[in-house]
Amino acid sequence: AQKITQTQPGMFVQEKEAVTLDCTYDTSDPSYGLFWYKQPSSGEMIFLIYQGSYDQQNATEGRYSLNFQKARKSANLVISASQLGDSAMYFCAMREENQGGKLIFGQGTELSVKP
Amino acid sequence: DVKVTQSSRYLVKRTGEKVFLECVQDMDHENMFWYRQDPGLGLRLIYFSYDVKMKEKGDIPEGYSVSREKKERFSLILESASTNQTSMYLCASSLGRQRSTDTQYFGPGTRLTVL
Repeated sequence: AQKITQTQPGMFVQEKEAVTLDCTYDTSDPSYGLFWYKQPSSGEMIFLIYQGSYDQQNATEGRYSLNFQKARKSANLVISASQLGDSAMYFCAMREENQGGKLIFGQGTELSVKP
Repeated sequence: DVKVTQSSRYLVKRTGEKVFLECVQDMDHENMFWYRQDPGLGLRLIYFSYDVKMKEKGDIPEGYSVSREKKERFSLILESASTNQTSMYLCASSLGRQRSTDTQYFGPGTRLTVL
């Protein structure tokens, strides 16, 4: 079974609008972390935001926020006020405490921001 | 800022050659990882290391080996390159598995082509 599922292979958003990228996960470990990364066409994976399974508040980092719904096992990334430079692949990833430092990645969502 | 560097951005090798991919991090991180990324398959973990001279197999270790003689350097070795090892190779490092966030930071990637 897929541990991390990103159901949107591609998304379009108008510049300055907000966009939500979906991520659902599957784990029986009570302690885990969820991460979002951005990968521009240059190839480098850029860390965006982190949410811990015991965190009470949704994580925010500038224009990025994570809509964490633990019961539904979802960790959607919200990008507010999209910019042209936000066009990239976005990956959701999970680290389970009992798996040490290993990350499991989703398939990614390609976001295109239209001017 | 965390800096993870990889020895080459692009590399072309012949079938049967021995290939070394080098990764260096400058933040005294304990953990280091090697992934390969292929279209439609996402990122897959090849090998990782929690400490100097320690290594553990990831999900797809066949055809690869690694070396970690110094804390800051983690090398991926293709003993006899094959065309199915043509891929994007990404190195990452993280502070250590005991830390709650343990964010992985990635290098720029190496696009390897095996002819």
